[in-house]
Amino acid sequence: DAGVIQSPRHEVTEMGQEVTLRCKPISGHNSLFWYRQTMMRGLELLIYFNNNVPIDDSGMPEDRFSAKMPNASFSTLKIQPSEPRDSAVYFCASQGRDTGELFFGEGSRLTVL
Amino acid sequence: AQTVTQSQPEMSVQEAETVTLSCTYDTSESNYYLFWYKQPPSRQMILVIRQEAYKQQNATENRFSVNFQKAAKSFSLKISDSQLGDTAMYFCAFMQGAQKLVFGQGTRLTINP
Repeated sequence: DAGVIQSPRHEVTEMGQEVTLRCKPISGHNSLFWYRQTMMRGLELLIYFNNNVPIDDSGMPEDRFSAKMPNASFSTLKIQPSEPRDSAVYFCASQGRDTGELFFGEGSRLTVL
Repeated sequence: AQTVTQSQPEMSVQEAETVTLSCTYDTSESNYYLFWYKQPPSRQMILVIRQEAYKQQNATENRFSVNFQKAAKSFSLKISDSQLGDTAMYFCAFMQGAQKLVFGQGTRLTINP
């Protein structure tokens, strides 16, 4: 099992540019989560999907952030336009049906200059 | 809303010692799950141990064990015979209804040789 796969691992961009982060969950998992980690705010849940449907997006900071899950094997988190305060590590995680445990990807470190 | 509190931002112990990390949480529910995750410098989030609230027996995984006090809403992690590889950030997390995971702010643990 390849685990949760995220890309890119690192991204450096300039303020105002569009950023797209990608995630492939573990096959067979039916829930997918996007978290953001910063020193100041720790790990924050941005949005999660159940069976490809967004269930709770109350953690999405503002309209510049959007997330999609077009099918069970792929999700994107988009920031447009990006700002320096969006700099963080973004984690994707998928959830097993039986144990409830979240399996995390290696994260995407975003730096907005 | 559920909250998770880790009152120890940093801890440091000598190799082979035993260390206990504290965690308290706030919820009005009776059925939930508690987790400890480890985040080494590689930033990968790794599940250490899991506890179901309906189980009175404390979970144990090799050198890792928990002291789950449901009435006190306390969920501490004990690491026995600590090793250099245990150096990491440790996050306590709460999940209700097998859905979203709420994390504490983390404890940075350093194992000294």
